[in-house]
Amino acid sequence: DTGVSQDPRHKITKRGQNVTFRCDPISEHNRLYWYRQTLGQGPEFLTYFQNEAQLEKSRLLSDRFSAERPKGSFSTLEIQRTEQGDSAMYLCASSPNSGATYNEQFFGPGTRLTVL
Amino acid sequence: KNEVEQSPQNLTAQEGEFITINCSYSVGISALHWLQQHPGGGIVSLFMLSSGKKKHGRLIATINIQEKHSSLHITASHPRDSAVYICAVRGGIQGAQKLVFGQGTRLTINP
Repeated sequence: DTGVSQDPRHKITKRGQNVTFRCDPISEHNRLYWYRQTLGQGPEFLTYFQNEAQLEKSRLLSDRFSAERPKGSFSTLEIQRTEQGDSAMYLCASSPNSGATYNEQFFGPGTRLTVL
Repeated sequence: KNEVEQSPQNLTAQEGEFITINCSYSVGISALHWLQQHPGGGIVSLFMLSSGKKKHGRLIATINIQEKHSSLHITASHPRDSAVYICAVRGGIQGAQKLVFGQGTRLTINP
């Protein structure tokens, strides 16, 4: 088990460009979460999937943000027309639906986005 | 006022000292998590608890549901404990899965 992986680890882009991040959860974890963390703050919830269904979205997730998990495995988070305020660490986490670690969330290393 | 408040925001101590980080929350919860974040961003789950006390090595976490308060203790602190410690709560609404995080406590242990 290689843990939750995220790609890329770092992304620098110019304002107005679109970016896409990928998260691969721990295999057989059917719950997947996206969070955003700005410097010096705790993470903030963005969205949550159970299998391929997006069950909850934060109001932080403006219409420029979209997340998918088409086959219930990996997930992508896309930001369109990036703004400088989008600069943050984007964290992905996954959790199992049962077992000893039920409801515990396992975090990936994050993707650090810098919008110039 | 944030739903989850941690104190202190920053803590510097000498190696060997007993450390306490506090977390207060204002909403009903189904569980509280303590997480550790090292420079570079990686977050590791330390504890998930809904009542009482848990211990793992030199780390102890307690929660008082009535007072909506939790503490994380580190005994015999070591420089490798230097990190940001984050408290997060999972809502009491059935099926609620998202975590609501505190702002974190930056701990520095000097040798």
